[in-house]
Amino acid sequence: KQEVTQIPAALSVPEGENLVLNCSFTDSAIYNLQWFRQDPGKGLTSLLLIQSSQREQTSGRLNASLDKSSGRSTLYIAASQPGDSATYLCAVSSNQFYFGTGTSLTVIP
Amino acid sequence: KAGVTQTPRYLIKTRGQQVTLSCSPISGHRSVSWYQQTPGQGLQFLFEYFSETQRNKGNFPGRFSGRQFSNSRSEMNVSTLELGDSALYLCASSLIPGAGETQYFGPGTRLLVL
Repeated sequence: KQEVTQIPAALSVPEGENLVLNCSFTDSAIYNLQWFRQDPGKGLTSLLLIQSSQREQTSGRLNASLDKSSGRSTLYIAASQPGDSATYLCAVSSNQFYFGTGTSLTVIP
Repeated sequence: KAGVTQTPRYLIKTRGQQVTLSCSPISGHRSVSWYQQTPGQGLQFLFEYFSETQRNKGNFPGRFSGRQFSNSRSEMNVSTLELGDSALYLCASSLIPGAGETQYFGPGTRLLVL
């Protein structure tokens, strides 16, 4: 069974800092990996989708990388802002979606 | 284009009752998936529907069931509610199921079982 782990579980950084969130998965036979953002009490917002054949995807200040062979993905956030404060989840798609436990990010003004 | 909508947004039930949650996917999306989110277990896959057929099912007891209608709207039902069923239930839609498709999530239905 696929297991997805995210570290750290929580992260607090001052505004303007660059940061990296990590996601690891146990089974490399995936179709894609998706990063989501969840605000308290809300649903999930898709940030980036990386196909299994891709190495990275970029959207604005966000950059996600995928190393399928080692079972790792990172989400890089540049010049963090207080509005980036949320929980970030990664999910891998094989026969179904498997979600990580999330990283709770707080950006301090 | 309207996003994924879920109704109701909040629900309070007592143990032993049953509940039905509804999900309307983004227009044109034919695949609907359901997830349960709890603080202890995180996000767990319940089931996925496509063209009114259940394509995939997670590891949940038979008390959890679902269906999809011809207009792609989906409902999930939980019978004989237990305290542990208290959770945020999220619905996600995509154009078609499977590889390469982005899932779009609704705001969720928060269920509290007393």
